[in-house]
Amino acid sequence: GDSVTQMEGPVTLSEEAFLTINCTYTATGYPSLFWYVQYPGEGLQLLLKATKADDKGSNKGFEATYRKETTSFHLEKGSVQVSDSAVYFCALSDRTGGFKTIFGAGTRLFVKA
Amino acid sequence: DSGVTQTPKHLITATGQRVTLRCSPRSGDLSVYWYQQSLDQGLQFLIQYYNGEERAKGNILERFSAQQFPDLHSELNLSSLELGDSALYFCASSQREEDTQYFGPGTRLTVL
Repeated sequence: GDSVTQMEGPVTLSEEAFLTINCTYTATGYPSLFWYVQYPGEGLQLLLKATKADDKGSNKGFEATYRKETTSFHLEKGSVQVSDSAVYFCALSDRTGGFKTIFGAGTRLFVKA
Repeated sequence: DSGVTQTPKHLITATGQRVTLRCSPRSGDLSVYWYQQSLDQGLQFLIQYYNGEERAKGNILERFSAQQFPDLHSELNLSSLELGDSALYFCASSQREEDTQYFGPGTRLTVL
């Protein structure tokens, strides 16, 4: 079945450092790919998405490119801030079998001032 | 604020009991999704409804059931509760099935 694998955390960075969180997926169809962010005590919020190969999703300085050849959707940000501290989830939604969304395990990011 | 509301915010109950969690989707959204988030299992998709009909099922236990009502709100019923059912339960909604999902703040269930 479909699955999402993302790098284990926690990831600890200093402010203004470069961030990469790796995400790879397996899917039988042509999924849409997402990054969600969960701040402490809150629900998940969509950060960015890409619906087809080579699409780049971007929001709030975060970017991720849908790479079909490597089945990856890595999240990057050039300069992180303390306010980016949160848990980041990679996810896919596949039309096959009813649009259920499969989430990765989540990666906790700590950004130090 | 995503526009998705969930009640109650917290729920503490005992093993063997039954509880009902409620979700009101964003105005205009027809699709509702339920997820369970626990420390050991991560975020697990449970079930999805679209305009009152069940559309997709994930790792939902037989002790759990859900429905979506004509006014589009949804309820998740958990029965014969066990300690391992303690988790955060999230509801999400979207306008159409392929659209972005918007998550509610969650209901934290503690089974003692």
